[in-house]
Amino acid sequence: AQRVTQPEKLLSVFKGAPVELKCNYSYSGSPELFWYVQYSRQRLQLLLRHISRESIKGFTADLNKGETSFHLKKPFAQEEDSAMYYCALIYNTDKLIFGTGTRLQVFP
Amino acid sequence: KAGVTQTPRYLIKTRGQQVTLSCSPISGHRSVSWYQQTPGQGLQFLFEYFSETQRNKGNFPGRFSGRQFSNSRSEMNVSTLELGDSALYLCASRIAIGQTNEKLFFGSGTQLSVL
Repeated sequence: AQRVTQPEKLLSVFKGAPVELKCNYSYSGSPELFWYVQYSRQRLQLLLRHISRESIKGFTADLNKGETSFHLKKPFAQEEDSAMYYCALIYNTDKLIFGTGTRLQVFP
Repeated sequence: KAGVTQTPRYLIKTRGQQVTLSCSPISGHRSVSWYQQTPGQGLQFLFEYFSETQRNKGNFPGRFSGRQFSNSRSEMNVSTLELGDSALYLCASRIAIGQTNEKLFFGSGTQLSVL
């Protein structure tokens, strides 16, 4: 069955430290993967998608099919990065599932 | 362009009651999805509607149901409420299904508290 796993419920780092939010997926087909972010008191919104190979707010994520991972990385965390992050997978063309989310706390 | 609009913003109900939540998608979006968000379980998919038809369904009991109208507005109904139904219910819209690059736009949610 298709699954998205985010093993960490909470990740705490200090400002300026590197950040890696882990995401692993289970899907036998060709995956489409996304990262969504929810800042405090704001709507859940798309952060980035793997197919665009983009960097948003300093975050990048590379799809590793061998390890079935799509980890979100940022070299230097900022306090404003504190938020809830969800990894999501589209499978069978139009079905979307989310991981359970990781709360990132960046301390000053 | 107005975003996804969910009403009401807050709801307080008691066990055994039923509740209806409403979602108006972004103009031109024909797909509406519903999610349950809780601190313990994260974001769980309830169902998705497209052109008034339920296209995908998550693993929730039959007490959770929905529908979509011809103007793409959607309602979600929960009958015989249980304490565990307390959650933030999010609605999301996208232009259509079957387009893998299509991103979801989320509403602010309806916070349901069951006492």
